[in-house]
Amino acid sequence: GAGVSQSPSNKVTEKGKDVELRCDPISGHTALYWYRQSLGQGLEFLIYFQGNSAPDKSGLPSDRFSAERTGGSVSTLTIQRTQQEDSAVYLCASSLLTGGVYGYTFGSGTRLTVV
Amino acid sequence: KQEVTQIPAALSVPEGENLVLNCSFTDSAIYNLQWFRQDPGKGLTSLLLIQSSQREQTSGRLNASLDKSSGRSTLYIAASQPGDSATYLCAANTGNQFYFGTGTSLTVIP
Repeated sequence: GAGVSQSPSNKVTEKGKDVELRCDPISGHTALYWYRQSLGQGLEFLIYFQGNSAPDKSGLPSDRFSAERTGGSVSTLTIQRTQQEDSAVYLCASSLLTGGVYGYTFGSGTRLTVV
Repeated sequence: KQEVTQIPAALSVPEGENLVLNCSFTDSAIYNLQWFRQDPGKGLTSLLLIQSSQREQTSGRLNASLDKSSGRSTLYIAASQPGDSATYLCAANTGNQFYFGTGTSLTVIP
């Protein structure tokens, strides 16, 4: 596609429910990243996919968070048993090559609110 | 771990003024540095990308410089306009991920 597409744009969920956030990167981009931006905070790295390599999960805050990338394209970030502190904007970015040689392109994000 | 700092945290200027936003990073072993703009409730829009071998990049009224040895980058905005009001983020790329500063919130007063 022309840009990085994320869905849904907004999600309100009850505490304890599971949620899935979707990211469709730019076609041909081999690297995909998930970041989280909490209110008034900077961007927090969550996970990084590069081609068929094992993902870098070092930023996932707890085992309630997981992500997968199917066929080297679309990625889904899953949060199980959501907590109020999970409320944030979840941003996805893709990059043409490893190491972000050509920089990142971001999607417009999913605003998650846990009530 | 790379630490990225942006100063000032907030800036308010009258329309037409030239301004400089500052970004500093602790680990000079970066591949590149990228400046982004974020409007309220929106994602990040890339403004400029400077590779580690470059000293500066220009796009329209924007000019970004990079001094790896001192761990600094600046974003210069010429003849500011109200439409430039947004949060500006810099991000230093060390390979597997970009490390972001917390941003400078810019308000340009008409």
